[in-house]
Amino acid sequence: EPEVTQTPSHQVTQMGQEVILRCVPISNHLYFYWYRQILGQKVEFLVSFYNNEISEKSEIFDDQFSVERPDGSNFTLKIRSTKLEDSAMYFCASSYLTGGQPQHFGDGTRLSIL
Amino acid sequence: DAKTTQPNSMESNEEEPVHLPCNHSTISGTDYIHWYRQLPSQGPEYVIHGLTSNVNNRMASLAIAEDRKSSTLILHRATLRDAAVYYCILRAMNSGGSNYKLTFGKGTLLTVNP
Repeated sequence: EPEVTQTPSHQVTQMGQEVILRCVPISNHLYFYWYRQILGQKVEFLVSFYNNEISEKSEIFDDQFSVERPDGSNFTLKIRSTKLEDSAMYFCASSYLTGGQPQHFGDGTRLSIL
Repeated sequence: DAKTTQPNSMESNEEEPVHLPCNHSTISGTDYIHWYRQLPSQGPEYVIHGLTSNVNNRMASLAIAEDRKSSTLILHRATLRDAAVYYCILRAMNSGGSNYKLTFGKGTLLTVNP
C-alpha cells in the first residue's frame, strides 16, 4: 500500500538556525498538508497546499514558515529561524481530493530545538 | 468544522468488541463523519468515514445514528495493536473553500488489556 514518507525521523537544531523537513506524499495525490503535535498536546493544522500554492494556513504558520514542492515528488516545510517552542512532531499528509476524502499521514519528524 | 464530543478514555479486553462513541449534535447535512487513530509514536491513521449509512471496512465498522447526531466506531475484536487515541472528526463534503484542514480534538485513549 502506498504511504507518505518523511525524513529525517529526528532533527536536532540550534535555536535560530534554519531547518527543512522533507516529505514524499503518495504519488497521485493532489493536496498536501503539514501538521504539528507538541508533546502531550493535540495535533494542530499548519498549512495545506494545492496546485503549487497555499490553500489554507493556520495562525501558527507565520512568516517564519514556508512550504515548497520543488519537484514532482517532494513537499518541504522550512522554518527560517527556529525557536524553542517549535520543538514538536511534524506530520506531513496528502490526499487525492479534499472534502470527504481521507488524508494519509507520514510517521513524522521529531524536531528538537536546543 | 463542527464540534465532536468523545470520552477521554476507554478500556477493553483483547479479542472483545469495542464500541467507541462520538456525539456531534451540530452536524450539518453535508458533513462526513471521519475516524482516525494515532498509535504511540506514529502519525494519525485514517480508519473509516461515512455520511448516513453504516460502513464497514477491513479495520472497523461505523454505525451512524438515524438523526446523525452521534456515531459509534466498532472494532469487532480488539487486539493489543488497536491501543491508540481515536479521533472522531467532521468534514464538509464539498472540496475547496476553507475545507482543507482536519481539526483534531483530544480523542479517546483506548487501552486494550491482554
